[in-house]
Amino acid sequence: AQTVTQSQPEMSVQEAETVTLSCTYDTSESDYYLFWYKQPPSRQMILVIRQEAYKQQNATENRFSVNFQKAAKSFSLKISDSQLGDAAMYFCAYRTPNSGYALNFGKGTSLLVTP
Amino acid sequence: DVKVTQSSRYLVKRTGEKVFLECVQDMDHENMFWYRQDPGLGLRLIYFSYDVKMKEKGDIPEGYSVSREKKERFSLILESASTNQTSMYLCASSYVGQKNSPLHFGNGTRLTVT
Repeated sequence: AQTVTQSQPEMSVQEAETVTLSCTYDTSESDYYLFWYKQPPSRQMILVIRQEAYKQQNATENRFSVNFQKAAKSFSLKISDSQLGDAAMYFCAYRTPNSGYALNFGKGTSLLVTP
Repeated sequence: DVKVTQSSRYLVKRTGEKVFLECVQDMDHENMFWYRQDPGLGLRLIYFSYDVKMKEKGDIPEGYSVSREKKERFSLILESASTNQTSMYLCASSYVGQKNSPLHFGNGTRLTVT
């Protein structure tokens, strides 16, 4: 079975600091797509960033960036200049063409941001 | 913006009841999904649909069924609710045209079965 592993159930970061959330995945496919979602207490799942496996350049969205290591099957999320509003559950997910359009999610990392 | 609306935010049902969870999206998306979210387990796929009247089983379909009579509406049905189906249920939709198309989620329905 294809799996996504988020090895950090909880993380903590101080405001204005940088934090990295880890994600590894297991697939034999060469073509796939990776996503990070954020779920604040409101429960709304929000897309943070996405990366195509065929792209070598790491995706960046404002304070959010990824470190995509294809050979290591690693897709970590870096949050710079952390803000109180970044506190949430973060889920890593991926999709392969053979799996249709459903996403396969990790178990999530709870991020606490302290003042 | 895409809007995915789940009919109930909280729902309390009794064991053995038939339960319907409704989901409507307004962006003409072909794909629709039902996930279940439990602490420590992440999101697990129950069923999904590529088109009207089409359905595919996900990873945990046991005890559930779905209905998609119209493109914008995807219903999750618990034929006989059990306490182990107490959970958060998330509906999502996506566009079929791009492989990197993200899922757009509703706000979730927290179901308690007593």
